[in-house]
Amino acid sequence: DVKVTQSSRYLVKRTGEKVFLECVQDMDHENMFWYRQDPGLGLRLIYFSYDVKMKEKGDIPEGYSVSREKKERFSLILESASTNQTSMYLCASSFSWGAGDYGYTFGSGTRLTVV
Amino acid sequence: EDKVVQSPLSLVVHEGDTVTLNCSYEVTNFRSLLWYKQEKKAPTFLFMLTSSGIEKKSGRLSSILDKKELFSILNITATQTGDSAVYLCAGGGSEKLVFGKGMKLTVNP
Repeated sequence: DVKVTQSSRYLVKRTGEKVFLECVQDMDHENMFWYRQDPGLGLRLIYFSYDVKMKEKGDIPEGYSVSREKKERFSLILESASTNQTSMYLCASSFSWGAGDYGYTFGSGTRLTVV
Repeated sequence: EDKVVQSPLSLVVHEGDTVTLNCSYEVTNFRSLLWYKQEKKAPTFLFMLTSSGIEKKSGRLSSILDKKELFSILNITATQTGDSAVYLCAGGGSEKLVFGKGMKLTVNP
């Protein structure tokens, strides 16, 4: 069964900590995405990557960075966690020839709480 | 700027009711309109629509696209409590999906 796996379902971190959220897909997808989801705001794109070592800023990249050293793994990094980064984080992947042709496959999400 | 607008943003109904979810879009290099259902965790795929006027059905759910008016609807007939979820509409461009804010549906017994 193909899937996108996020390493943690729930995380609680302290303000100022460096936080790593990991996402692994086994579908050989070229494109990978990180979103955060907040009530009333929907899904907002943080970063995406269309190839190994490539990354593009999304709509809300401030306070985040990403790493893609291998095709199957896309990491989201909160350099210094803040309470306003408390959210649900969703990873997704798709083929390179168009998210609009095949859509995304989503991970199960990581609910991060920063205290 | 690309955008997808869903309405209403929340809805409370009783079991057995029929609901219609609306989605309008403006997406560069538009290829498809997608609907997802999200319960506690990951969004799950419902429909992908690429052609106007062709209804897609899956059980009690159906959806249709109007590419002239840049609009799609998702219908759910004979709603059940298990239909309670957030329903996401997304416009598919060449590179990524553009999501609406989601519609929270609550079905009461």
